[in-house]
Amino acid sequence: EIVLTQSPGTLSLSPGERATLSCRASQSVSSNYLAWYQQKFGQAPRLLIYGASSRATGVPDRFRGSGSGTDFTLTISRLEPEDFAVYYCQQYGSSTFFGGGTKVEIK
Amino acid sequence: QVQLQESGPGLVKPSETLSLTCAVSGYSISSGYYWGWIRQPPGKGLEWIGSIYHSGSTYYNPSLKSRVTISVDTSKNQFSLKLSSVTAADTAVYYCARPGYSGGWSLPFDYWGQGTLVTVSS
Repeated sequence: EIVLTQSPGTLSLSPGERATLSCRASQSVSSNYLAWYQQKFGQAPRLLIYGASSRATGVPDRFRGSGSGTDFTLTISRLEPEDFAVYYCQQYGSSTFFGGGTKVEIK
Repeated sequence: QVQLQESGPGLVKPSETLSLTCAVSGYSISSGYYWGWIRQPPGKGLEWIGSIYHSGSTYYNPSLKSRVTISVDTSKNQFSLKLSSVTAADTAVYYCARPGYSGGWSLPFDYWGQGTLVTVSS
């Protein structure tokens, strides 16, 4: 089982600032099969990034995924008010597992 | 547009079996894709439960495999989840979902139901 560790647990930032979220895997994620989701309170998760760096349909280009192997990053270039939410990573190269999440809150 | 809708009892007693159904509209299950169940305990993260193909081929999370059965009914365009011997730890919002592209059973989920809260309590 590949364990995904997300950090930080909470990120306190202001609108317009840059957010950098980390997802570290306990072993290499094959073919960079890593996805990122955004979840707002009371809603289902929304797929943002797949294949480590490909944006899903309709996702603004301020969301950027990067990384390979065991270290992956989701960067939100300039936070909009609607971006404050919880973000999860998922690896799907060896079965499917999710990270514990990072909450991006308004400072 | 693919739409998924979970349904089932919101309250289940400990040691009993949790049963949920996911009704799919806007797409025929028989046309392909693996269809999945994911759960989220209150205030916690996401956990993949398992996935099923229209042929009935299934993949389960090893930590739940002994208690989980996922089945499909193509005539009703729906798939179902059964989780046996439930405890309070199984209290969660249960989602059904589908990947945005085909190509295997383990893929990112692009279409999600709204989720349904199941509470395990006597």
